[in-house]
Amino acid sequence: SQTIHQWPATLVQPVGSPLSLECTVEGTSNPNLYWYRQAAGRGLQLLFYSVGIGQISSEVPQNLSASRPQDRQFILSSKKLLLSDSGFYLCAWRPPLGSSSEQYFGPGTRLTVT
Amino acid sequence: AQSVAQPEDQVNVAEGNPLTVKCTYSVSGNPYLFWYVQYPNRGLQFLLKYITGDNLVKGSYGFEAEFNKSQTSFHLKKPSALVSDSALYFCAVRETDSWGKLQFGAGTQVVVTP
Repeated sequence: SQTIHQWPATLVQPVGSPLSLECTVEGTSNPNLYWYRQAAGRGLQLLFYSVGIGQISSEVPQNLSASRPQDRQFILSSKKLLLSDSGFYLCAWRPPLGSSSEQYFGPGTRLTVT
Repeated sequence: AQSVAQPEDQVNVAEGNPLTVKCTYSVSGNPYLFWYVQYPNRGLQFLLKYITGDNLVKGSYGFEAEFNKSQTSFHLKKPSALVSDSALYFCAVRETDSWGKLQFGAGTQVVVTP
């Protein structure tokens, strides 16, 4: 069966520090991968998605970047964090084929920028 | 562009009573619709989806949803709510591109009281 992992689970970082959040998927190949941010309210904002190694699409301009160095690894990064980067970051995957498939979410990373 | 609306920020229901969480959508073409549930500080869990076929879709944990094309709605229902159903519920529609991106509603907080 497929599983998705995210780490760290929680993170407290000062403004201006770098960021690296990692997401890995097991039990599948060539998944579509997604990064979302959930702010203090509740809405989910899609940040990046990837359909293959090295292929990253950005949904909104921001202080963050994403990379996919391996087939089942998706990394969210920042060179200098802002207070507004605080939130709950969720990674998700779905199979590459089959347009009807749902997305499966990881447990999330709670980021607090101080 | 696709969109979904969840008109209620919060739904309160007594345990044992029927639960309904509303969702309306706007899409060009045939809709792919999804419901997810989120417990505090957790990732989203998939409940059910409508792709085609029967308008009444059955999902996990006793939930079902009714697709109504004329009213462009996809309401989530449960005949008898449990206290453990208290959570944040999201409706989503899949965008028509081929990357499986989802457009989420703002979420509805469900509170089930004993």
